[in-house]
Amino acid sequence: KAGVTQTPRYLIKTRGQQVTLSCSPISGHRSVSWYQQTPGQGLQFLFEYFSETQRNKGNFPGRFSGRQFSNSRSEMNVSTLELGDSALYLCASSLSPGSGGNTIYFGEGSWLTVV
Amino acid sequence: EDQVTQSPEALRLQEGESSSLNCSYTVSGLRGLFWYRQDPGKGPEFLFTLYSAGEEKEKERLKATLTKKESFLHITAPKPEDSATYLCAVQAGNAGNMLTFGGGTRLMVKP
Repeated sequence: KAGVTQTPRYLIKTRGQQVTLSCSPISGHRSVSWYQQTPGQGLQFLFEYFSETQRNKGNFPGRFSGRQFSNSRSEMNVSTLELGDSALYLCASSLSPGSGGNTIYFGEGSWLTVV
Repeated sequence: EDQVTQSPEALRLQEGESSSLNCSYTVSGLRGLFWYRQDPGKGPEFLFTLYSAGEEKEKERLKATLTKKESFLHITAPKPEDSATYLCAVQAGNAGNMLTFGGGTRLMVKP
């Protein structure tokens, strides 16, 4: 079956702009999480959504936001982009939050470059 | 605060030279410890989840083990195609599907 699908794969934005990234989870998965990966900070948790509700949020400024739709697809938005937002943004999906034996799968990511 | 430390940061092996990667962790109520493999420019690929001390899982040349404070990823007779960054992450009992990652170990296997 299809894996986690993220779009777009690559994008370049200018400082001050905003960007929206999309994630389609594995069919049947209802929990979606977002991570930011940079060479300096590694993989850092942004937020998690389940049943269209944000369940957990990482330590990122309010410029980072997300939402989940009724079909479990998710989007994240970054407003007023800064150079430091350049990163690989990864989406992960799983059946439900925190249940035992719950494998978490990642997509290929969206590469964001801010110039 | 949950913390994960991986060592070494980088490891160079000759093909066939077995070794182990270490993942030390502190977490409030471990629900699961995850191992992923990540190739350059790609997302993490799931390898294993371990749930309790003493548990072991194997997949081809890889074997993961878990104690109350650390996990090891043993690589037996590695091949060049095993070259990648290996990531360890913990899931706390009260944090849904949030994973706390270590910095990774970059493995290079030379023919």
